Amino acid sequence: DQQVKQNSPSLSVQEGRISILNCDYTNSMFDYFLWYKKYPAEGPTFLISISSIKDKNEDGRFTVFLNKSAKHLSLHIVPSQPGDSAVYFCAASGERGSQGNLIFGKGTKLSVKP
Amino acid sequence: DAMVIQNPRYQVTQFGKPVTLSCSQTLNHNVMYWYQQKSSQAPKLLFHYYDKDFNNEADTPDNFQSRRPNTSFCFLDIRSPGLGDAAMYLCATSMVGGNQPQHFGDGTRLSIL
Repeated sequence: DQQVKQNSPSLSVQEGRISILNCDYTNSMFDYFLWYKKYPAEGPTFLISISSIKDKNEDGRFTVFLNKSAKHLSLHIVPSQPGDSAVYFCAASGERGSQGNLIFGKGTKLSVKP
Repeated sequence: DAMVIQNPRYQVTQFGKPVTLSCSQTLNHNVMYWYQQKSSQAPKLLFHYYDKDFNNEADTPDNFQSRRPNTSFCFLDIRSPGLGDAAMYLCATSMVGGNQPQHFGDGTRLSIL
């Protein structure tokens, strides 16, 4: 049973608009959440993270929001750029303590059209 | 630049023929991980090393083994690859401690003939 779910396999957005990628989780023990970006033929690259003690973390054009009561997090990219086109993975950890074992979602493929 | 390097990028082996995938890191991280990722699926953790301590996931098949001879290197051995083992294999590293992101290599795509 999936503990981290990304229900949208794909998302298409116009350049300059906001991209919103969503992620849901089921395990209330998760306390650290990450977003990774993956280009074809490359490994996942760490993008941004958030601890469960916060509800928002911002880094430039990227903002992650965490709603613990809903067990939901989202990644906002604004403004979206064609170079943001990639697969975005949501991941969570905390169930296994400090070794950082991550549970990944299946990913959402973002396409930003010029 | 400090990084995680996986070799080879592409590996083809025959059904049942042992194969070894390699990962090295210059980040000096304590923890090294091996993930299996099949098409359109989430990366799935196979096992990890915390320094020299090996931690196997409960559902990792016995066919998969790992070695970590030193801090910098970690190997994934598949003793008798089956067709279902064709996948992307990702190596990652992190420091131990809460809230440490993992850093990934570019993966090895394994094909089974």
